[in-house]
Amino acid sequence: GAVVSQHPSRVICKSGTSVKIECRSLDFQATTMFWYRQFPKQSLMLMATSNEGSKATYEQGVEKDKFLINHASLTLSTLTVTSAHPEDSSFYICSASGQGGTEAFFGQGTRLTVV
Amino acid sequence: AQSVAQPEDQVNVAEGNPLTVKCTYSVSGNPYLFWYVQYPNRGLQFLLKYITGDNLVKGSYGFEAEFNKSQTSFHLKKPSALVSDSALYFCAVRPNRDDKIIFGKGTRLHILP
Repeated sequence: GAVVSQHPSRVICKSGTSVKIECRSLDFQATTMFWYRQFPKQSLMLMATSNEGSKATYEQGVEKDKFLINHASLTLSTLTVTSAHPEDSSFYICSASGQGGTEAFFGQGTRLTVV
Repeated sequence: AQSVAQPEDQVNVAEGNPLTVKCTYSVSGNPYLFWYVQYPNRGLQFLLKYITGDNLVKGSYGFEAEFNKSQTSFHLKKPSALVSDSALYFCAVRPNRDDKIIFGKGTRLHILP
């Protein structure tokens, strides 16, 4: 099956700093990428959808200036958490879907801890 | 509003017994239906999908799912559960290609040895 690689798998940062998470599709062209946030023992919360070469579409309530998403190529999307605070601590997961594809494939997730 | 319901937060099954994890959806048209599995501190792994055709679809690790259009259900099944099947299972729906995927809240499956 298609492989999506997400890095880093876990990161600890100080409050006020920014953190970048990368999501790469290794063996297919990801025309659409999705970024999710998952709280403990809860389902996935879609944060934004990005299509290659265009601005991301953010879900209601998600701050676009805080969670910067870039989808500059067909194999790479990045999520930057700017000026991170402890309440941003969470598990972030990306997924990617190819053109005409039906299912999405997921990265391994990133555990962000802001101290 | 479009939604996916997984009515059970947790399902407990003895090893070797058949298992069923329930899912119903409320989406117009002919959506694509999926099941994913998540192990602790990991992303989601794709198990199987229904696009069209035979109502019974087979997927990874011996899992299968039955699509029922009249009941708008897509229950996940396995004839004989393994302890290693213990994980969090998500049902998901995609209304059309390129649409966002709508997830259920997840069902935690415990297989008891």
